[in-house]
Amino acid sequence: QQQVKQSPQSLIVQKGGISIINCAYENTAFDYFPWYQQFPGKGPALLIAIRPDVSEKKEGRFTISFNKSAKQFSLHIMDSQPGDSATYFCAASEGTYKYIFGTGTRLKVLA
Amino acid sequence: GAVVSQHPSWVICKSGTSVKIECRSLDFQATTMFWYRQFPKQSLMLMATSNEGSKATYEQGVEKDKFLINHASLTLSTLTVTSAHPEDSSFYICSADLAEGVSDTQYFGPGTRLTVL
Repeated sequence: QQQVKQSPQSLIVQKGGISIINCAYENTAFDYFPWYQQFPGKGPALLIAIRPDVSEKKEGRFTISFNKSAKQFSLHIMDSQPGDSATYFCAASEGTYKYIFGTGTRLKVLA
Repeated sequence: GAVVSQHPSWVICKSGTSVKIECRSLDFQATTMFWYRQFPKQSLMLMATSNEGSKATYEQGVEKDKFLINHASLTLSTLTVTSAHPEDSSFYICSADLAEGVSDTQYFGPGTRLTVL
């Protein structure tokens, strides 16, 4: 029940396309859902986060869509660029408790 | 804002020696810090939760006598890998917890690559 399932494991997108990464959870007590971007050899960097009281949040080219009834949330990267090529992790937490991370998605954006 | 540093960024040591990794929150105070381990092409594995002024809470399967954690101040936590062996070679990442409104956000350090020969 503590798992966060992330898909796909890897994703190849053409420059300018839309990258979509999905995550699903079981624990309805989760109330905070951040997304992190990680480049090789670096620590994860916070991209965007959402709470379940909203269905969508947009920051620049990054959008989180949240479906509370389906217990799913997704990251959309609009106008994907080669510089977006990285590994993306979703996470979920309950209150101030520790994060449960997804397994990661390796995104490659072709020039 | 919300910058977390780690030192060293990489370290190579001989088997049997101990290695200390520092994690600092540079522009905020963090009551709670977390230590993760990451293997190549895998997700982050939480090792322990470090709370300022109290003992760390270790995840199941993590040897607390091998991975010593000290959260000496609101801006510094250290992880000491004692009697390191080649199987301890990994990428160690810390994060610092920042309370932002009703949510807590973890900000990660750049990681430390440990190689044990």
